[in-house]
Amino acid sequence: GENVEQHPSTLSVQEGDSAVIKCTYSDSASNYFPWYKQELGKGPQLIIDIRSNVGEKKDQRIAVTLNKTAKHFSLHITETQPEDSAVYFCAWGTDSWGKFQFGAGTQVVVTP
Amino acid sequence: NAGVMQNPRHLVRRRGQEARLRCSPVKGHSHVYWYRQLPEEGLKFMVYLQKENIIDESGMPKERFSAEFPKEGPSILRIQQVVRGDSAAYFCASSPGQGDNSPLHFGNGTRLTVT
Repeated sequence: GENVEQHPSTLSVQEGDSAVIKCTYSDSASNYFPWYKQELGKGPQLIIDIRSNVGEKKDQRIAVTLNKTAKHFSLHITETQPEDSAVYFCAWGTDSWGKFQFGAGTQVVVTP
Repeated sequence: NAGVMQNPRHLVRRRGQEARLRCSPVKGHSHVYWYRQLPEEGLKFMVYLQKENIIDESGMPKERFSAEFPKEGPSILRIQQVVRGDSAAYFCASSPGQGDNSPLHFGNGTRLTVT
């Protein structure tokens, strides 16, 4: 199957600092790249997504960048807060339906 | 508005028993997806259903697993003769359709433990 590599697997940041998570995919046909946040005991929640015709998208403190040539996309969280602590998953697929490949996840811990 | 509802939240089964996991999609959503999450791993696609139809079951194990989404009622993921390796969190997601305006909404999952 197609793989998505996600790095780092764990990330510890001081409150107020930035966090960056990177994913690399292999299928050049993919054109939709969502990011999900999963808190303990809950399901994944969509936090931001980007499509292949856009290079960058921002929503308040979070942003996603996409490099289609290099086949990687990144999540950026600025001014991190303790409530940002969670596991973050990247995913990819085609925007025609919800069959996604997911990365293995990044455990983000924001320390006060 | 109620989101995707899954029940039970936790399910314990002994080896050889059957597990039934239920998923009620967001009201008005006709597309349902099931994903499995093993401990400390990402989600793996299992099956995609629309009302009364299985559209893609390429992620489903060939034996013991089945899924349905009847005209009335919730979607059901059924695991027969469970084994310890079936222990995982099973997530259901729904969407109103396909295309740019149909993001997935996930439920909070059913955590299956096989003893």
